[in-house]
Amino acid sequence: TQLLEQSPQFLSIQEGENLTVYCNSSSVFSSLQWYRQEPGEGPVLLVTVVTGGEVKKLKRLTFQFGDARKDSSLHITAAQPGDTGLYLCAGDTSGTYKYIFGTGTRLKVLA
Amino acid sequence: GAVVSQHPSWVICKSGTSVKIECRSLDFQATTMFWYRQFPKQSLMLMATSNEGSKATYEQGVEKDKFLINHASLTLSTLTVTSAHPEDSSFYICSAGVSPNPAEQYFGPGTRLTVT
Repeated sequence: TQLLEQSPQFLSIQEGENLTVYCNSSSVFSSLQWYRQEPGEGPVLLVTVVTGGEVKKLKRLTFQFGDARKDSSLHITAAQPGDTGLYLCAGDTSGTYKYIFGTGTRLKVLA
Repeated sequence: GAVVSQHPSWVICKSGTSVKIECRSLDFQATTMFWYRQFPKQSLMLMATSNEGSKATYEQGVEKDKFLINHASLTLSTLTVTSAHPEDSSFYICSAGVSPNPAEQYFGPGTRLTVT
């Protein structure tokens, strides 16, 4: 069973700090996605990466896909309380758009 | 953007009864819909993949006779939890793939099921 491990599991930081969340697997992904989920709601797609080494930016969020397409990272610059939530990576290994979700990183940004 | 709705948003039922959850794509046609369950403070676990007009494909360990999935149209998929038990209590979330690029899946707001 493929497994996507995210680290750290929990992160509590002060507003204005930077942080990086990692998503690792032994499997190669045809594509990988990052989501943010708030309590009681469905996840919201942030980005999809498909090319090894790809870097995408979304305002203060920077996403990187590993060269071997087995891992990814999410970097947030100058975190804000509104960034608080559960961050999930999800990978597709079969090319059939069936995504398996990572273990999740719960972020809390304190004002 | 693409909108996916779920109904009901929460439901409480007695042990032994069945519960149906609907997932609708409101402004697009979804050739593929996915059903997930999420336990408190945990990640999403894929239960099954549902393609319009064909039988759902279930993930290993998911009982297909207990979790009945029907995808009768391009805008509606249903999940029926049969003979529910307290251990079935969970947050059930659907997502819909946007044709022709199902990588762009949009998630519903989820349904919280509590079995007493």
